[in-house]
Formats: sequence, C-alpha cells, structure tokens
Amino acid sequence: DADVTQTPRNRITKTGKRIMLECSQTKGHDRMYWYRQDPGLGLRLIYYSFDVKDINKGEISDGYSVSRQAQAKFSLSLESAIPNQTALYFCATSDSSGGYEQYFGPGTRLTVT
Amino acid sequence: SQKIEQNSEALNIQEGKTATLTCNYTNYSPAYLQWYRQDPGRGPVFLLLIRENEKEKRKERLKVTFDTTLKQSLFHITASQPADSATYLCALRNNNAGNMLTFGGGTRLMVKP
Repeated sequence: DADVTQTPRNRITKTGKRIMLECSQTKGHDRMYWYRQDPGLGLRLIYYSFDVKDINKGEISDGYSVSRQAQAKFSLSLESAIPNQTALYFCATSDSSGGYEQYFGPGTRLTVT
Repeated sequence: SQKIEQNSEALNIQEGKTATLTCNYTNYSPAYLQWYRQDPGRGPVFLLLIRENEKEKRKERLKVTFDTTLKQSLFHITASQPADSATYLCALRNNNAGNMLTFGGGTRLMVKP
C-alpha cells in the first residue's frame, strides 16, 4: 500500500462549489503539506502543518483552507471553487527528526469549469 | 527577490551519455538542496540531499554538486537509460519561511535509445 494516499484522484467541479481533497499517510510523519502544480510554475506551497495543532499558510493560501484531523490526515478545502484553481494538487509529508526530504502522494487532478 | 531557475527546455540526450541538469538560485542561503524526480501524472520522488558544507554527493549513477559561491547545483546521471526520462526538480530549504522547501520549475530529461 502507498505511504501517502490522496482522494479523489480526479475531480471535475463547477465554479462556486465547495470541494475537499483528502490526504492520509502511514509513514508516521509529523509534518504535512499541500502543494499545487501548474505547467511552467512548478510546485507552490498552499498550507503546511507541523503537527495537529500547528497549521500555517504557505505562498498561495488565498481561496483555500485546511484541516488536520489527526497526525495522519490533512484535508484541503476549496470553499468556492473558481476556474483558476484548476491544477494538480499534491499532499506531502516529512519527518521533523529526519533528513527533511518530503514524500509525495500521487496527486489529485482538479478541474473547475 | 528569491528565485530558483532550472532550464525549462527539455534536455534530449542519447542513451549511455551523461545527462547534466542545472539549478541556479538567487537570494537564498540554503542549508541544503534536494533533487526530486517526477514522472508524468505522479508525485515527485526524493533522490538526493546535499548540504551546504558538502561539495559533492553520489548515489549509484547519480551525482550532485553544490557550489554556494556560484549559487548553483549540478545534477548528473551517468550512463543514462531511457528509464531515466522524467522531469527533475531541485528544491531549496527556505531559511526565511519556517524552513520550507521552495521548488524550481523542473527540467524534463528525454533519453533516447
């Protein structure tokens, strides 16, 4: 089984709808991250969490919110989706006591029409 | 402003040759630099980490150099194979943002048989 899983893998939604992307990990890591990837722009950090009670905004948090329900679960919500949020979304984890490398999920391809 | 630059043009090389990818950065003082591999439609996978006090690091056919004076890292794949075809991302630890990673846009490598 994959260490970092994301659901759904693909989603098409309409402008104005609320949508939640979910991430779960079995690596036992304390840190979790949400990124979006757009062609030519690379990975950009949306939110990150160092533990269940520590959530921080990243580079591009406007229009997004997150919830860290447990150490293993980190969800990303789009309260009112808009077309420029169409992108590939990745969840990642890392271990604060380790070598700082990040482990990524398989991604969610989101299309907002 | 802080910037990480990777060649956005694809690098095409012949099987068996050495591939060299470049990562340049400005306005960072990173404690370390990481390289990741990303296949189409999948999440990035960690390859190597090199610290600021290390000049070179090797792992099997991979070699990374880190020149903090030139503000550049070179990523080499020796005896390249078609299976090495992927996009390669460099990432820097951002000392000014909670030690988050900032990713470059990646360089696509195509190894032709």
